[in-house]
Amino acid sequence: NAGVTQTPKFQVLKTGQSMTLQCAQDMNHEYMSWYRQDPGMGLRLIHYSVGAGITDQGEVPNGYNVSRSTTEDFPLRLLSAAPSQTSVYFCASSGLSGVGPLHFGNGTRLTVT
Amino acid sequence: GENVEQHPSTLSVQEGDSAVIKCTYSDSASNYFPWYKQELGKRPQLIIDIRSNVGEKKDQRIAVTLNKTAKHFSLHITETQPEDSAVYFCSDNDMRFGAGTRLTVKP
Repeated sequence: NAGVTQTPKFQVLKTGQSMTLQCAQDMNHEYMSWYRQDPGMGLRLIHYSVGAGITDQGEVPNGYNVSRSTTEDFPLRLLSAAPSQTSVYFCASSGLSGVGPLHFGNGTRLTVT
Repeated sequence: GENVEQHPSTLSVQEGDSAVIKCTYSDSASNYFPWYKQELGKRPQLIIDIRSNVGEKKDQRIAVTLNKTAKHFSLHITETQPEDSAVYFCSDNDMRFGAGTRLTVKP
């Protein structure tokens, strides 16, 4: 099993550009989530999904969109990148929200200039 | 809104000493409390977790205690080793995370 796979590992965007961060898991997990990690602030939940076709907002959802058309994939879209979105992004999955440990991807380091 | 507070933000101990990191949470509905370890440049990885129906859990040198009445839980690492040096995060229900504790174990 590859676990949780995130692409790309690094990305540089200009303000106003759009892009999609990819996340895929091969563990048949129902729960998937996206976090951003900024220095001194821990991990903050952006969006999450408890199953295909279901998504919900986390603590910091503004500026980000998600969709969950399959159990395996949970892409994160930045429609119009801003410098405030410079961060490290982690995708994670677990068997069920709130009752199991998260398996994290290796992260995407995004810089918006 | 609901949050998780974590203390201390940095902790330096001598090899072989114990380390304790404390977290408090505000959501009374929380029932799952994991701890993650993150080494520099790596992804967070679970080291231990506890559910609300248990007061303490131990796994070799690592233990977690939970006080639901007071809404706080703690990570205890005994006989620390240099490879324990990392940033540790607490969480409630994987929805909210503490800001992290940078633990340094000096040989």
